[in-house]
Amino acid sequence: NAGVMQNPRHLVRRRGQEARLRCSPMKGHSHVYWYRQLPEEGLKFMVYLQKENIIDESGMPKERFSAEFPKEGPSILRIQQVVRGDSAAYFCASSPGTAYTEETQYFGPGTRLLVL
Amino acid sequence: GESVGLHLPTLSVQEGDNSIINCAYSNSASDYFIWYKQESGKGPQFIIDIRSNMDKRQGQRVTVLLNKTVKHLSLQIAATQPGDSAVYFCAETGGYQKVTFGIGTKLQVIP
Repeated sequence: NAGVMQNPRHLVRRRGQEARLRCSPMKGHSHVYWYRQLPEEGLKFMVYLQKENIIDESGMPKERFSAEFPKEGPSILRIQQVVRGDSAAYFCASSPGTAYTEETQYFGPGTRLLVL
Repeated sequence: GESVGLHLPTLSVQEGDNSIINCAYSNSASDYFIWYKQESGKGPQFIIDIRSNMDKRQGQRVTVLLNKTVKHLSLQIAATQPGDSAVYFCAETGGYQKVTFGIGTKLQVIP
């Protein structure tokens, strides 16, 4: 029973390049969340998605960042024209989406993005 | 504004002792609270949760206490072990999927 999968685990990009982070939720989970974590800090909510829908993107920067969760395949967090300030750990979480247990989110191992 | 915060950034305890990690929240509408454990280089791991209609919940070696009057949450770890060393986050949600995390408390277990 695999947990939340994220890849790559580590990603190095130069300023101006694009970063694509992938997240496969736990089997049977239909809700996906993305969080960002700077060193020695807590996780900051970015976006909440269901299949083919963005439910809440209030934590996403207005520019350069986008997220999707297609009908088939993993959820993608895309960062265009990366800058050094984008360097962080990006965590994906998923939840079942059922009436009772949907609020418990299970996290993946994260993608560490380093922008040179 | 709405926030979740921790009183102690670092806590050192002797192996075998009990640990208590505290958390304050300010959103009175919060109705679901979660404690996560994050080891170095890993994602947060769910430990235990509690809903606002409860004031205590126990798991294996862990107990969460909720005091809604003073908006305070605590995590108690019994017989702390070296494997408990990690950063512990409290998190809250107000009936919606957006989870707000606190800064975190680093627990150091002294062998």
